[in-house]
Amino acid sequence: NAGVMQNPRHLVRRRGQEARLRCSPMKGHSHVYWYRQLPEEGLKFMVYLQKENIIDESGMPKERFSAEFPKEGPSILRIQQVVRGDSAAYFCASSPGGSTEAFFGQGTRLTVV
Amino acid sequence: AQSVAQPEDQVNVAEGNPLTVKCTYSVSGNPYLFWYVQYPNRGLQFLLKYITGDNLVKGSYGFEAEFNKSQTSFHLKKPSALVSDSALYFCAVRPFNAGNNRKLIWGLGTSLAVNP
Repeated sequence: NAGVMQNPRHLVRRRGQEARLRCSPMKGHSHVYWYRQLPEEGLKFMVYLQKENIIDESGMPKERFSAEFPKEGPSILRIQQVVRGDSAAYFCASSPGGSTEAFFGQGTRLTVV
Repeated sequence: AQSVAQPEDQVNVAEGNPLTVKCTYSVSGNPYLFWYVQYPNRGLQFLLKYITGDNLVKGSYGFEAEFNKSQTSFHLKKPSALVSDSALYFCAVRPFNAGNNRKLIWGLGTSLAVNP
């Protein structure tokens, strides 16, 4: 059983471009969570999704950021019109249920130049 | 503001010696407490958690952690360190009113280096 897969591992975008980060949860996991780690800061919760539903997006900026977890395929974290401040490591985690421990991916390091 | 502190950026220990990685927190109510480990080029892995009950919690790879309510601490310990324990360790806390289990407050991490 492969772990949580995130791709790409590293992503470079110019200011104003769009960034798409993908997360394939572990097999059988229907809950996905996204976290952001800014330089010199701890992990911050962004959004919690189940298949086709956003459960809690209270940690996600209201502008430019969106997330989805379609019935088929990976979860996508989309950042439109990226700015330098979006440069961070983005981690995805998955779990089979909302109350069980989550398994994390290796993260995607986004650099905005 | 609610927060988690890992006061040491780096901890160095000799193989075979006991290790401690410190964590203190400042949250309201009775929180859930977690430790995660990140090995090089790997995702975060769950080590152990405290929710209620015995203050000494045992986890994976021989690690344990002691919950101390009066000192608001949850230090990670291992009686005998291995070189393979070298990794980045994160303490995380879920406030009791978090709403969902993933709204954890994370420490900045402590890099553990075990020297042969």
